Formats: sequence, C-alpha cells, structure tokens
Amino acid sequence: AQSVAQPEDQVNVAEGNPLTVKCTYSVSGNPYLFWYVQYPNRGLQFLLKYITGDNLVKGSYGFEAEFNKSQTSFHLKKPSALVSDSALYFCAVRDANTGGFKTIFGAGTRLFVKA
Amino acid sequence: KAGVTQTPRYLIKTRGQQVTLSCSPISGHRSVSWYQQTPGQGLQFLFEYFSETQRNKGNFPGRFSGRQFSNSRSEMNVSTLELGDSALYLCASSTGGGDQPQHFGDGTRLSIL
Repeated sequence: AQSVAQPEDQVNVAEGNPLTVKCTYSVSGNPYLFWYVQYPNRGLQFLLKYITGDNLVKGSYGFEAEFNKSQTSFHLKKPSALVSDSALYFCAVRDANTGGFKTIFGAGTRLFVKA
Repeated sequence: KAGVTQTPRYLIKTRGQQVTLSCSPISGHRSVSWYQQTPGQGLQFLFEYFSETQRNKGNFPGRFSGRQFSNSRSEMNVSTLELGDSALYLCASSTGGGDQPQHFGDGTRLSIL
C-alpha cells in the first residue's frame, strides 16, 4: 500500500535562510513523487515532480527537491526563503507499477517564513 | 488556457439533504479526481474518472458518488448529508498519465448545518 509521511506539522524559518520540508514515502513499486503548495482559500498548485533520472529536481519559484531511494525520501528545499513562501505544502506519491493512477497525499506541512 | 473551474464556491446545506458539485477540467484533460479536505483528516482521495469511467476509488461510503460526461466535465454527488461532510471539496484534472501532475480548482466549501 502507498503512504506518505510529512513528519513536521510546521516549519519556521527566517527570510533569507534555507528551508527544508521533509517527506518520506512507501510504495511497492517505483514512485512518482510530487510537491504541491496551497495558499489560503485556494486549491493546490503543482511545484515539481520526480519521475526518473536525476535525483535533484528543480521546480517553480526556486524550489527543488532531492530524491533519495535508499532513505525513501523526497525533501523539498529552497536556498533562500521568502515571506511569500509561507503556505501549506503537500508531498504526494503514486505507484508507477500500478499505473500511477491513485495519488496519496501527506498530511501537509505549514511553512512560516518570518521577515 | 483556462484553469479548473469548480462551482459553486460555497454551499450551505442541512443534514439529510443532498448536494451536487461541478467541475470543469482544463481543456484536453481526460482525468478528473475528487478530494475531500478537512483540518482533521487532511486531503482524502474520493475517486478518479478517466474518459467517463471510474478508474479509482477511495474509502468513502456509497453516499458519495460521481460521474464524468463526454466533455470530461465531472459532477460529484453526496446524499443524506451528515455534519461530518463539512469540508473543502477539491477537483483536479490531468491528462491521465500517472507521471503527470494534477491541476486543482479552488474548491467548493460545503458547510452542513
């Protein structure tokens, strides 16, 4: 069965500092991994994905994520946080070996960036 | 290109009533998924439709149903509403490939009195 864990309910970081939002996953086959961001009263917006290839994936708004197969992790990172990055972040996984049609989302991590 | 459109944005119902929510996907997208978002349970997958066929289903009671039309527009119906059905219902569309991201609408906020 697929599962996603985001171990931190909240991450606090000062503007200009690097940020990391953690995600670990479990699938029986190869994973398709995604990060989404949600702003208040809005739907989720796609940030980046890992399908295959390079372990470091670059996405929108300066975000990147590192896929680590041995640790089954897909942590979201940004070198320099902005106050406008404050939002709710979701990691999601699909099992490529079952067609990847069912998406499981993590519980979400709220990011606060302080000026 | 227009995004995913969900209507209505807000809805207030009472227990026992039924409700229908609508979702218009991005043009060319054949997959539409529905999710329920609540503070306590997070994002929970309801079902996914692809070319008018339900391809995947989450663990929700039969009161929750959906359908997809030939133009890929989708509707979700909840019958015999309960207080616990109060939530933000999100619709997401994609081309249908498992490696493709989903594009979300802004949701319908359903409140049950």
